[in-house]
Amino acid sequence: QVQLVQSGAEVKKPGASVKVSCKASGYTFTSNEIHWVRQAPGQGLEWMGLINPSDDFTTYAQKFQGRVTMTRDTSTTTVYMELSSLRSEDTAFYYCTRDLCNDNGCRIFEYWGQGTLVTVSS
Amino acid sequence: EIVLTQSPATLSLSPGERATLSCRASQSVITFLSWYQQKLGQAPRLLIYDASERATGIPARFSGSGSGTDFTLTISSLEPEDFAVYYCQHRRNWPPTFGGGTKVEI
Repeated sequence: QVQLVQSGAEVKKPGASVKVSCKASGYTFTSNEIHWVRQAPGQGLEWMGLINPSDDFTTYAQKFQGRVTMTRDTSTTTVYMELSSLRSEDTAFYYCTRDLCNDNGCRIFEYWGQGTLVTVSS
Repeated sequence: EIVLTQSPATLSLSPGERATLSCRASQSVITFLSWYQQKLGQAPRLLIYDASERATGIPARFSGSGSGTDFTLTISSLEPEDFAVYYCQHRRNWPPTFGGGTKVEI
């Protein structure tokens, strides 16, 4: 069965960086794009960007351009999301989610990780 | 970017009742619209994609309809486990965006 297992909660100071991992299993890792979606406590969902594990192609929401980097390690079937220059407004749950469609993706979010809480506080 | 507006913000119903949730887009998304359910403390779950296609394992009491700018998620007869927050999301262009959510409460 498809599983996405994320790393544990993080507490960071303003200005620091955080790197969240998402280990995929139960399917061919390079077949489907992985997206990152975040949710501030009690708020709605916000798409951050995607990575194609097959060719390492990435695209990011304009809001996060220059601050976010998504990478993958095919040997461990893990994708990573690093967010830099953290501020208090970045306090949120960060989710990885697998695209429903193979190859080029279709931006339908079929499987989700359990979420990672990142708290930014001085 | 396309803005999705969900209504109502909160829907208060009883088990067995019918729930009708609305999602309106600021411009046409054709039928490129999905619905997700999120329970407290859990990740979202895909219910419906492309306006009316049920995702794998989703019960038949969940149905979606609409095209263009107006969409509806219907739960024909609420089960106790259906009380949650529901989000719509489009994939018409970049970036994909989500609506603000509708909370279905008892």
